[in-house]
Amino acid sequence: QVHLVEAGGGVVQPGRSLRLSCAASGLMFSYYGMHWVRQVPGKGLQWVAFISYDDSEENYADSLKGRFTISRDNSKNTLYLQMNSLRDEDSAVYYCAKDTLRYSRGDGGAYDVWGQGTLVTVSS
Amino acid sequence: DVQMTQSPSSLSASEGDRVTITCRANQPISIFLNWYQKKPGSAPKLLIHTATTLQSGVPSRFSGSGSGTDFTLTIDGLESEDFAIYYCQQSYKSPHTFGGGTQVDIK
Repeated sequence: QVHLVEAGGGVVQPGRSLRLSCAASGLMFSYYGMHWVRQVPGKGLQWVAFISYDDSEENYADSLKGRFTISRDNSKNTLYLQMNSLRDEDSAVYYCAKDTLRYSRGDGGAYDVWGQGTLVTVSS
Repeated sequence: DVQMTQSPSSLSASEGDRVTITCRANQPISIFLNWYQKKPGSAPKLLIHTATTLQSGVPSRFSGSGSGTDFTLTIDGLESEDFAIYYCQQSYKSPHTFGGGTQVDIK
């Protein structure tokens, strides 16, 4: 059974940092590109970032460039999202998701396995 | 960025109804259009990828069509478990933008 489990969410003050993790099991993690997607409560889905299977490519939502960093450790089957200089508007449920395409470098696939989400609340 | 526009934003339907949701891209995206179902408290679920391909395990009452800029998700014979929010998403080029969602409610 394929599973993605996020961790690291919580309440954080504006301007502070938080690192989310996403542990994968039941799949060849190193074969697949991975994404982060977020959803502000009551709002729609927003793509956040992508990292290729081999860590050679990263893409970010324009509004998040420079503050968020996606990374992965294939030896630990784990994906990360480092979030710095957090703002109120970053409060959301953050999901990690697996790309459908093996050896994806970003485009053309879909997101077929999702974690349960982790809630990040930015508040003073 | 590719802008995705879904319509309607909400609809009310009864079990057994045929429901159609449309999604329009503001530039051609070939067939790189995906559909997801989202229920409160749950992760999104992939229904259709590359515009027309039914994801494994998804009931055949779901179908997708379209290419270029105009796409459609059809649910043929709505069931109680289908009441949810549906999102389209383009994966033609980064950022992989989502549509605003269509909420399907019980009439």
